[in-house]
Amino acid sequence: AQSVTQLDSQVPVFEEAPVELRCNYSSSVSVYLFWYVQYPNQGLQLLLKYLSGSTLVESINGFEAEFNKSQTSFHLRKPSVHISDTAEYFCAVSAIVSNDYKLSFGAGTTVTVRA
Amino acid sequence: ETGVTQTPRHLVMGMTNKKSLKCEQHLGHNAMYWYKQSAKKPLELMFVYSLEERVENNSVPSRFSPECPNSSHLFLHLHTLQPEDSALYLCASSPGLAGAYEQYFGPGTRLTVT
Repeated sequence: AQSVTQLDSQVPVFEEAPVELRCNYSSSVSVYLFWYVQYPNQGLQLLLKYLSGSTLVESINGFEAEFNKSQTSFHLRKPSVHISDTAEYFCAVSAIVSNDYKLSFGAGTTVTVRA
Repeated sequence: ETGVTQTPRHLVMGMTNKKSLKCEQHLGHNAMYWYKQSAKKPLELMFVYSLEERVENNSVPSRFSPECPNSSHLFLHLHTLQPEDSALYLCASSPGLAGAYEQYFGPGTRLTVT
């Protein structure tokens, strides 16, 4: 089974400042990695994912995450945040094993961007 | 309608009531999921359906009863709930059952059990 630890429960940040959300996972097999975002009163939506290839993945709205296999981490970063980035962010993993489709989620990190 | 829709968005029910949550996906996906989201806890997978067959029942109490009449619709029937069942219930769908697939989530039903 896989598990995910998001090391920060809440991250307050000023507008235009950088932000980093930390995610570590535990798994006995190789994994796919995801970041989902949940805006207020909405469901989760995919922000970015790592399946294979380059360990640095980017989203269309300026977020990036880097897969570090030796550290079992997949931290999310954005160099300059906007008010609209206020949301809850979830790291998730799934095993690269046939017949295994389950997503294991972290507890989430609440990002509050202030002017 | 597009994506994944859920009704109702809010539900308050007493412990002796019976109610149902409805989920509909307009994406042509073959897999559908129910999750429970409680504050500051990881999402809990409850049920998974693939091509209308249940493939996962994650030790969920029998007071929760899922139904998948076709690949576009998913229901969660509720009866004799407990106050600790109060949470946000999220429905999701994906093209198939594989760990690489993105899951598409609905906005959720906020359930309060009194």
